[in-house]
Amino acid sequence: NAGVTQTPKFRVLKTGQSMTLLCAQDMNHEYMYWYRQDPGMGLRLIHYSVGEGTTAKGEVPDGYNVSRLKKQNFLLGLESAAPSQTSVYFCASSYAGTSGPTGELFFGEGSRLTVL
Amino acid sequence: AQSVSQHNHHVILSEAASLELGCNYSYGGTVNLFWYVQYPGQHLQLLLKYFSGDPLVKGIKGFEAEFIKSKFSFNLRKPSVQWSDTAEYFCAVGAWTGFQKLVFGTGTRLLVSP
Repeated sequence: NAGVTQTPKFRVLKTGQSMTLLCAQDMNHEYMYWYRQDPGMGLRLIHYSVGEGTTAKGEVPDGYNVSRLKKQNFLLGLESAAPSQTSVYFCASSYAGTSGPTGELFFGEGSRLTVL
Repeated sequence: AQSVSQHNHHVILSEAASLELGCNYSYGGTVNLFWYVQYPGQHLQLLLKYFSGDPLVKGIKGFEAEFIKSKFSFNLRKPSVQWSDTAEYFCAVGAWTGFQKLVFGTGTRLLVSP
């Protein structure tokens, strides 16, 4: 059982380049999330999805786009990378409880992105 | 919207010392509370959670946390830390607003010296 898998794990980009981070989960979770982790700022929610075909903005969505074409996958795209997007990105998923999600997130191992 | 404050950014302890990490949240409604741990080079893992009932919850590896509603606090404790507890600890709060998004604190780095 792989859980939540992120690819790639490391990437270096030049300013203005584009890239896509892939998140895949094999737990049949309804909800998926993308967070970024920066020193002294904790984890901040970029975008999330409550189901296949749906996405929504989190706290810091600017400069990112997402798609959830399949239930098990959640893609995070950077169309024109900027140095401010240098960060560690974490994907997470959670299951829906009887009254909404229980909030227990299962995290991937992270993707470290450097934008020069 | 909810918010979370972790006042201790860095904590250094010797093995066998007791640990208490502070977490305060701001939200007027019903919340679920969590502590996550991130060991060096690893992803975040759930340490413990509070949904309802007994405000003293026990988690993995001897950790526990107490929810004090009147103080909007959910402090993490461990009676005797080990070197292997060296990690970053994140408090998180989820509000029941139809869809529960977790808001994380800024984290506390714990270093346990042998």
